[in-house]
Amino acid sequence: DTAVSQTPKYLVTQMGNDKSIKCEQNLGHDTMYWYKQDSKKFLKIMFSYNNKELIINETVPNRFSPKSPDKAHLNLHINSLELGDSAVYFCASSQDGTGGSLYNEQFFGPGTRLTVL
Amino acid sequence: SQQGEEDPQALSIQEGENATMNCSYKTSINNLQWYRQNSGRGLVHLILIRSNEREKHSGRLRVTLDTSKKSSSLLITASRAADTASYFCATDAADDYKLSFGAGTTVTVRA
Repeated sequence: DTAVSQTPKYLVTQMGNDKSIKCEQNLGHDTMYWYKQDSKKFLKIMFSYNNKELIINETVPNRFSPKSPDKAHLNLHINSLELGDSAVYFCASSQDGTGGSLYNEQFFGPGTRLTVL
Repeated sequence: SQQGEEDPQALSIQEGENATMNCSYKTSINNLQWYRQNSGRGLVHLILIRSNEREKHSGRLRVTLDTSKKSSSLLITASRAADTASYFCATDAADDYKLSFGAGTTVTVRA
């Protein structure tokens, strides 16, 4: 069974469009994350939710809006896509997102490769 | 900005050899984690070492942590072709609620 799943795996779209990426975890974890990995493999945290509450909101354009309908799901909606948004987006989850916890080992989804043309 | 910086950026070794990569960081940490990423896949957690630990083993992996030098190393012994991947260190800073990842070390194991 897939622990952290994301859909779609690939997303190719035109500049200016709006798109969503969905993420689900079946691990019973309290905390979920969105990361962006650029072409140089640098992984940057974007958002984190703990029990549906936003706890990390890094400096990300407000065109990006996360939504957590329940603690097993964290979706990412992107408005007015730009060329620079092209990257691989990873969803992850951890049992506890509190800094210093022994349980913040993170489980990653397979990634969504977004290409903006 | 990045907290962890891996060194070297890339490493190519023969199957059976050991691979060592290092991670340096800037601020006090609660723990440091190592992850592996195979090409086109998500990251997989390998090992977590707490700030009060100095060494940890998991199978063919050995991780050390020197908090006085703010550095960690990951050793993969008796490497296999399947170890070909990128390896990332991630730090859980003492005053933060997130993991900060380095840019990774790309390891290629030649058969």
